[in-house]
Amino acid sequence: AQRVTQPEKLLSVFKGAPVELKCNYSYSGSPELFWYVQYSRQRLQLLLRHISRESIKGFTADLNKGETSFHLKKPFAQEEDSAMYYCALGNFGNEKLTFGTGTRLTIIP
Amino acid sequence: DAGVTQSPTHLIKTRGQQVTLRCSPKSGHDTVSWYQQALGQGPQFIFQYYEEEERQRGNFPDRFSGHQFPNYSSELNVNALLLGDSALYLCASSLARDRRETQYFGPGTRLLVL
Repeated sequence: AQRVTQPEKLLSVFKGAPVELKCNYSYSGSPELFWYVQYSRQRLQLLLRHISRESIKGFTADLNKGETSFHLKKPFAQEEDSAMYYCALGNFGNEKLTFGTGTRLTIIP
Repeated sequence: DAGVTQSPTHLIKTRGQQVTLRCSPKSGHDTVSWYQQALGQGPQFIFQYYEEEERQRGNFPDRFSGHQFPNYSSELNVNALLLGDSALYLCASSLARDRRETQYFGPGTRLLVL
């Protein structure tokens, strides 16, 4: 069975400090991992996916198959990073996604 | 392009009633997925429609059914509503032939069952 675990419901970080949002998964095949973000009063949107190996808004995430993790990182937090972040797992980007419960990130000015 | 649109934005029903939610996909997309997001939880996959047929289904009872129209828009129907069906219902669209394409989400319909 597919499962995504985000252990932190809430995370507060000072502006300029590093950010790490944790995500662990369980999946028997070759997973595709995503981070989705929801800013206040906006819809859920894709932040990044592991196959792209991109850095979006300064965020990066590395897939660690040994630890079955896909943690989201940013070296210097900005106030506009305050949002709800969801880690998701799927076969391909356009198929069924399994989401974690989300982490609410608050950046303290 | 307005992206994925959903209607209505909010809905209040009573237990036992039936509800229909609507979704129009992003221009150029042909696949629609529905998710239920209960308070404090992540979205849970209900089902996905492609070529007017249900292609994948999550762990939801038969009370949840759907339909896709020739113009790719979709409806989610829930019968015999329970209090536990109160949630935000999200629609997402994508393009079937492009496995790299991601899902674009709508703003959701918030359903309250009293």
